[in-house]
This record gives sequence, C-alpha cells and structure tokens, in this order.
Amino acid sequence: SAVISQKPSRDICQRGTSLTIQCQVDSQVTMMFWYRQQPGQSLTLIATANQGSEATYESGFVIDKFPISRPNLTFSTLTVSNMSPEDSSIYLCSVGTGGASEAFFGQGTRLTVV
Amino acid sequence: AQSVTQPDIHITVSEGASLELRCNYSYGATPYLFWYVQSPGQGLQLLLKYFSGDTLVQGIKGFEAEFKRSQSSFNLRKPSVHWSDAAEYFCAVGSSGGYQKVTFGIGTKLQVIP
Repeated sequence: SAVISQKPSRDICQRGTSLTIQCQVDSQVTMMFWYRQQPGQSLTLIATANQGSEATYESGFVIDKFPISRPNLTFSTLTVSNMSPEDSSIYLCSVGTGGASEAFFGQGTRLTVV
Repeated sequence: AQSVTQPDIHITVSEGASLELRCNYSYGATPYLFWYVQSPGQGLQLLLKYFSGDTLVQGIKGFEAEFKRSQSSFNLRKPSVHWSDAAEYFCAVGSSGGYQKVTFGIGTKLQVIP
C-alpha cells in the first residue's frame, strides 16, 4: 500500500494567479497520476508523471496550463496556471505501486477560483 | 481506449434494503476493475477490486461485486444498506499493464432514507 499526503487540502485563489499542489508518498513509486474532479463530475486524468522524464498529458490538458514536476520517486507537484473560475475543482494525486494492485489516492485539494 | 458506464446517476434506497449499482466497462483485454467510494469532503476509498480468479469478489463494509465477462459488467451489491453508506460510488477500470492508470465512470450518488 501507499500513504499519500497532499498539500494544500483546500485553497481559494484569485483568477489569473497560479497554485502549486504537492503530493508526497511514503514509499518509492514508479507512476504518479494527477486527476481533476470538477463539481458534480467524475474524475478525469490530467497527466501521468514519470520520474526523470516529461509528464504525459491526456487529451484536453496541456503543459502550459498544468505543469508537473517529478523530481524523485516519492514526490510530485501539479501547478494550475493562470487560473479562472472554470478551474475550480478537486485535484487528486494518485500512485501506482506496480503489478496487480490498485491505485492509491490522496485526500485531494479543493480549489476555488474567485 | 478503456471506458466505464454507470447508467444510474442517482439512486435512493431505504435503510435495510438491498442495493445494486450497475457498471459496464469497455476494455480490449482482461480488465482490472475497481469500485471506489467517496463520502462528502473525503478522498477516495477502495471498496473492492477484481484482477483475476473468482468472479465474485468481497470488499469492505459488506460490499461485493461480480465480474461478468459476457456482459462486460461489474455490478456492486450489498444485501442491507446502512445510513452511513450514503456516498458517491465510482466504478473504474485499470489497464492490465500494471501502471494503475484508471478510468472512472461518472459515479452513482446513493441516498439512504430511514
């Protein structure tokens, strides 16, 4: 299993600013994922973060808007850039420990853009 | 591409009644299947998972699910619902590549009435 700590747990931000969300895992993991959950919606994968390489973004998400860092095997950050009210969502970090195992999720970051 | 359909957006059941939440998936190979629960303001908690073997899987909190390959379904069941089961339930499919990249259904919101 893996225990994930996400910071901040929530924030209220002004439009046009940026917020960086941190994800810390208690063990080394190969794959880390970032999801977005818009109000009343399901979870949508933003990108896959691999250590030592560029993140892989899903359709509809771009690096300029959601830059991701993955400096080591236990940590990643997601930045939401130039925010607008449409970015108000819960952002979740997820990790995979490999093999036949489920994905583990952080508690999420609830972002409100005003 | 993998996908998940949860046809019921909202379900209301009486406390003590049985519950079945429907889930259909689309995936080209043997899927990894999951049910997660999200309580208000909480992160995602894994209820149960199917990777292989016995098609009837038992999970936490008295939940079970049955994998039916012929119907591409993975329905969640509970014989007697408790008020504390009120939450949103997400069915998800993961790739069998072991990378825990998960695709979620839209979710079913469960309301439990006394």
